[in-house]
Amino acid sequence: QKEVEQDPGPLSVPEGAIVSLNCTYSNSAFQYFMWYRQYSRKGPELLMYTYSSGNKEDGRFTAQVDKSSKYISLFIRDSQPSDSATYLCAMRGEGSGSRLTFGEGTQLTVNP
Amino acid sequence: GAVVSQHPSWVICKSGTSVKIECRSLDFQATTMFWYRQFPKQSLMLMATSNEGSKATYEQGVEKDKFLINHASLTLSTLTVTSAHPEDSSFYICSASLIGINQPQHFGDGTRLSIL
Repeated sequence: QKEVEQDPGPLSVPEGAIVSLNCTYSNSAFQYFMWYRQYSRKGPELLMYTYSSGNKEDGRFTAQVDKSSKYISLFIRDSQPSDSATYLCAMRGEGSGSRLTFGEGTQLTVNP
Repeated sequence: GAVVSQHPSWVICKSGTSVKIECRSLDFQATTMFWYRQFPKQSLMLMATSNEGSKATYEQGVEKDKFLINHASLTLSTLTVTSAHPEDSSFYICSASLIGINQPQHFGDGTRLSIL
């Protein structure tokens, strides 16, 4: 069983839709949770960085972490065609030098 | 802020050639840099963790003599793929964390390596 599970999709939604992406994990030592967006042939871009349980909002993006359920989510409001990309969840334990454990990535297409 | 630059972005070379990839943190200092490999439609696979001034820590199954990593300064790490062969063709991505407790990793834009 993988440490981090993420539905690879593909997920296709109309422009303006609310998108919900999520990951589950099994390692209770994970404390820091990230969402990255990766366009084709580019490196991952950090979207959200959260610590422990709770919500964090940045513009159209909201990240939620529920450590009791080992479940994290990313919501995208008013989705745009420019949001079409692969979204990777990632998580780690304490320490900036700690390795990241990634989900498989969800491929999202927002149709105009 | 937190920009990571990777060079070259794309390289094509003949089998047997050694290829060097540079990873620079442009506006911050990074004690730790990471090197990843990514195959099409797959997630990132950590190859090694690079610490400034010390030897890199390689993941299991990654040949340290094949993938030479040097992290000589707080803003530069290099990955050299020695005697590259077609099976080494891949997308290589580096990342760096700001100095400090519990900082996130920021990624470069990757290097597409094609070995003929």
